[in-house]
Amino acid sequence: QQQVKQSPQSLIVQKGGISIINCAYENTAFDYFPWYQQFPGKGPALLIAIRPDVSEKKEGRFTISFNKSAKQFSLHIMDSQPGDSATYFCAASSTDKLIFGTGTRLQVFP
Amino acid sequence: NAGVMQNPRHLVRRRGQEARLRCSPVKGHSHVYWYRQLPEEGLKFMVYLQKENIIDESGMPKERFSAEFPKEGPSILRIQQVVRGDSAAYFCASSRDRGRSTDTQYFGPGTRLTVL
Repeated sequence: QQQVKQSPQSLIVQKGGISIINCAYENTAFDYFPWYQQFPGKGPALLIAIRPDVSEKKEGRFTISFNKSAKQFSLHIMDSQPGDSATYFCAASSTDKLIFGTGTRLQVFP
Repeated sequence: NAGVMQNPRHLVRRRGQEARLRCSPVKGHSHVYWYRQLPEEGLKFMVYLQKENIIDESGMPKERFSAEFPKEGPSILRIQQVVRGDSAAYFCASSRDRGRSTDTQYFGPGTRLTVL
């Protein structure tokens, strides 16, 4: 129940394309869903986050879509750029700790 | 504003030695979290501390691992008698407020522990 399942494990997108990463959870007590971006050798950095009382949140080229009934949420990266190449982690939380997905390695080719 | 600082960035130990990892939170943050990342895996929660208190250690292995966050100084994650399976990246995060799920956790650059 504490798991967050993330897919795909890796993703290759051409520059300008849309990158889509999906996550699913079981624990209905989760009330905060952040996405983190991690570059090699660096720590994760918060990218965007959503609460379950909204179905979508957009910040620049990054959008989170949230489906409460299906217990799924996804990250969409519009107009993907080579600089977006990184590992992306979804996470969920209901208290103090973050439960992370297993990560998606995104490669954007020019 | 300095972010979360961790040192050392890389640590090599032989089996049986002790590893001490340090974390200085963002200035003004009094909540510290430790996570472990095994190769090709996501981050796993280990422990949540406030100054002088362990709040949640549900992710800590029962033996050899301990953590503290003293009134003065950095938080320390201590691994005694390291084994090869302890090789991982250890990340520290800090937040400003207590235990609310929406409080952003800011991560440090990590300490990469290699056990020979």
